[in-house]
Amino acid sequence: AQKITQTQPGMFVQEKEAVTLDCTYDTSDPSYGLFWYKQPSSGEMIFLIYQGSYDQQNATEGRYSLNFQKARKSANLVISASQLGDSAMYFCAMREANAGNMLTFGGGTRLMVKP
Amino acid sequence: DSGVTQTPKHLITATGQRVTLRCSPRSGDLSVYWYQQSLDQGLQFLIQYYNGEERAKGNILERFSAQQFPDLHSELNLSSLELGDSALYFCASSGRRVGETQYFGPGTRLLVL
Repeated sequence: AQKITQTQPGMFVQEKEAVTLDCTYDTSDPSYGLFWYKQPSSGEMIFLIYQGSYDQQNATEGRYSLNFQKARKSANLVISASQLGDSAMYFCAMREANAGNMLTFGGGTRLMVKP
Repeated sequence: DSGVTQTPKHLITATGQRVTLRCSPRSGDLSVYWYQQSLDQGLQFLIQYYNGEERAKGNILERFSAQQFPDLHSELNLSSLELGDSALYFCASSGRRVGETQYFGPGTRLLVL
């Protein structure tokens, strides 16, 4: 079974609007962390936001927030007030405590922001 | 800029050849990870080193090997290269605490012809 699933291969959003990128995960480890990374066309991987499995509140970092629904095993990324520079690939990743510190990545979502 | 450096940025070589990719972690980070990003396999974890010792292994081929040196820089060696090894190879680093965020370098784009 896929450990990280991103069901949206591509998405469009209008500039200045909010957008939600979906991520579901599968683990039996009670201790895990969820990460979102952004990969612009230049290729680098940029860390955006982190949510730990024991965190009581949803993580936020500037215009990024993580909608963490533990029972549903989902960790959706919300980008508010989209900007043209947000056009990129977005990857959801998981680290499981029992698997060391390695990251398992989803297939990614390509976000395109329309002016 | 994540603080992780990788050289070279691009590498073009022929099948059967051997190449070495180099990574310098962020200042103070003890862990180095190598990932491969290819069109068909996506992003895959290859191997992790912590303070010079191998800590975890993922889907790393026997033709690939890595090491971390006393100054904490790491090298990924790819030998007997095949067309399918063409990919973007990332190095990431994290601090000494378990579960710390991994920060990625800019990657080395390898093309095997």
